[in-house]
Amino acid sequence: GDSVTQMEGPVTLSEEAFLTINCTYTATGYPSLFWYVQYPGEGLQLLLKATKADDKGSNKGFEATYRKETTSFHLEKGSVQVSDSAVYFCALSDSGNTPLVFGKGTRLSVIA
Amino acid sequence: EPEVTQTPSHQVTQMGQEVILRCVPISNHLYFYWYRQILGQKVEFLVSFYNNEISEKSEIFDDQFSVERPDGSNFTLKIRSTKLEDSAMYFCASKKDREETQYFGPGTRLLVL
Repeated sequence: GDSVTQMEGPVTLSEEAFLTINCTYTATGYPSLFWYVQYPGEGLQLLLKATKADDKGSNKGFEATYRKETTSFHLEKGSVQVSDSAVYFCALSDSGNTPLVFGKGTRLSVIA
Repeated sequence: EPEVTQTPSHQVTQMGQEVILRCVPISNHLYFYWYRQILGQKVEFLVSFYNNEISEKSEIFDDQFSVERPDGSNFTLKIRSTKLEDSAMYFCASKKDREETQYFGPGTRLLVL
């Protein structure tokens, strides 16, 4: 079945450091790819998404590019802030109405 | 901005008891989902619901689980006889027709003792 693998955390960075969280997937079809973020005490929020190869999703300074050749959707941010401290989940959906398949989540802590 | 809400935020129950977790999806959404996350593990799909019936369910969603949309706004998950291994964070999500983005609630943390 479909699956998502993302890098294990926790990740601890200093403010203004560069962030990469790796995510790779396996899927039988042509999935849509998502990054969700969970801030402390809150629910899952969509951070960004991409629906086809070479699409770049971006939001709040975060970016991820749908790479079909490497089946990857790595999350990047050029300069992290303390407020970015959260758990980040990579996910895929095979078609519009199917359930999301999540990775295990990566906890990011940014220190001042 | 409309959002998915869930109640209660925390629930502690004894093994073997029934629990009902409640969700109010976004009002014009048509697809509803329950997921759970056992501490330290992946977010796992439980069940999806559309047009007043279950459209898909996972292996986790056995006879102890049921879902219901008792009125036009609530979407509930019932666990008939809770087990220790049901302890988890339960997330409700909803989405519009023909859109891919699912919107999640804040979750209910269930602890079974």
